[in-house]
Amino acid sequence: EAQLVESGGGLVTPGGSLRLSCVASDSGFTFRNYNMNWVRQAPGKGLEWVSSISSSSTFIYYADSVKGRFTISRDNGKRSLFLEMDSLRAEDTAIYYCVRDTGGFDYWGQGTLVTVSS
Amino acid sequence: EIVLTQSPDFQSVTPKEKVTITCRASQNIGSSLHWYQQKPDQSPKLLIKYASQSFSGVPSRFSGSGSGTDFTLTINGLETEDAATYYCHQSSNVPRTFGQGTKVEIK
Repeated sequence: EAQLVESGGGLVTPGGSLRLSCVASDSGFTFRNYNMNWVRQAPGKGLEWVSSISSSSTFIYYADSVKGRFTISRDNGKRSLFLEMDSLRAEDTAIYYCVRDTGGFDYWGQGTLVTVSS
Repeated sequence: EIVLTQSPDFQSVTPKEKVTITCRASQNIGSSLHWYQQKPDQSPKLLIKYASQSFSGVPSRFSGSGSGTDFTLTINGLETEDAATYYCHQSSNVPRTFGQGTKVEIK
């Protein structure tokens, strides 16, 4: 079963930056074959798609709410997914999930909490 | 952007009852509709993909149907462990979007 482990969350002041990472387990999960996504969930709220990246990084998409501020990338050799977040705002406060994409989002990490506050 | 509207927002149900949650898309998305279950303090879990395909390991009491703009998640014989919030999600277009969620409470 695929396992995804996020890290890099924390408390940051408005306008600051943070880099999230997600590592895929190497048991039965050929990371390089899959499109990957970041999905976030603000406290007590629903799910919001943030960004997606195709298996070879050819296609990259962002939600309008983060376009120009966030950058998604991946390193297939290290089975890793990243989200570079700049110009953070209070409304970016959320749990960020790394998600494998097979049309449906079939495997989710446990999430990493990002808090933007002064 | 494709808007997904779930109904109801909240449902209080007795164990063994049948639960029906609907998801309506603002435009035709074919069968590119998926359902998730999220329990408190847990990550979401995929239940149904492409409208009606059960994901591996999901109990058979969960089923999905629909196509185009109208979709349904059915729980046949609710169990206490099914208390959760359920979300629909479309993969037809970018941006990928989710419904607002339906919270199912056990009476």
